[in-house]
Amino acid sequence: ILNVEQSPQSLHVQEGDSTNFTCSFPSSNFYALHWYRWETAKSPEALFVMTLNGDEKKKGRISATLNTKEGYSYLYIKGSQPEDSATYLCAFINAGNNRKLIWGLGTSLAVNP
Amino acid sequence: DVKVTQSSRYLVKRTGEKVFLECVQDMDHENMFWYRQDPGLGLRLIYFSYDVKMKEKGDIPEGYSVSREKKERFSLILESASTNQTSMYLCASSPTSGAYNEQFFGPGTRLTVL
Repeated sequence: ILNVEQSPQSLHVQEGDSTNFTCSFPSSNFYALHWYRWETAKSPEALFVMTLNGDEKKKGRISATLNTKEGYSYLYIKGSQPEDSATYLCAFINAGNNRKLIWGLGTSLAVNP
Repeated sequence: DVKVTQSSRYLVKRTGEKVFLECVQDMDHENMFWYRQDPGLGLRLIYFSYDVKMKEKGDIPEGYSVSREKKERFSLILESASTNQTSMYLCASSPTSGAYNEQFFGPGTRLTVL
């Protein structure tokens, strides 16, 4: 059974704090790792699609790294703002079935002004 | 601008009713997915389709069926709605080639079964 785990489950930070969370996934048969942001009352939206070991991607104050050999990815938010409050989901794609995403349960981030 | 639309944002049905949830995408994507999202359980895949008239069961297909008669439309059918099918239903689509299957989501349908 392929499992994707995210930690922490939830996080409360103050505006301006930097924060990071983890996604762990199986290290064999890796195809891709996705990060999505899901804001309340909106649809999940892709932040990053990561495919290569050592990948680092950045979008504004948010960045992500990927280690496929040990099976983890970190998402970093620098200088958190209230509009960053959302659930951050990661999803793993196995090379054996590359149409289907295996989802983590997400990290719920609340940024207090 | 990519778009996935779902027929209703909110729906209230009675136990035993047949329920149709419709999803349409305008991106010419091959793959389409139906998920349900429940607190503490994350996104769970019900069914997906990788081509017209093709379908595959996801992780929780019991009590559901799907239909894909046209590439842009993927319907989820609850044959006889039950209260444990009260949930948020999300449709998504993705291309097969390129983009490593990034999924694009619709706004969701919150279904309540009384």
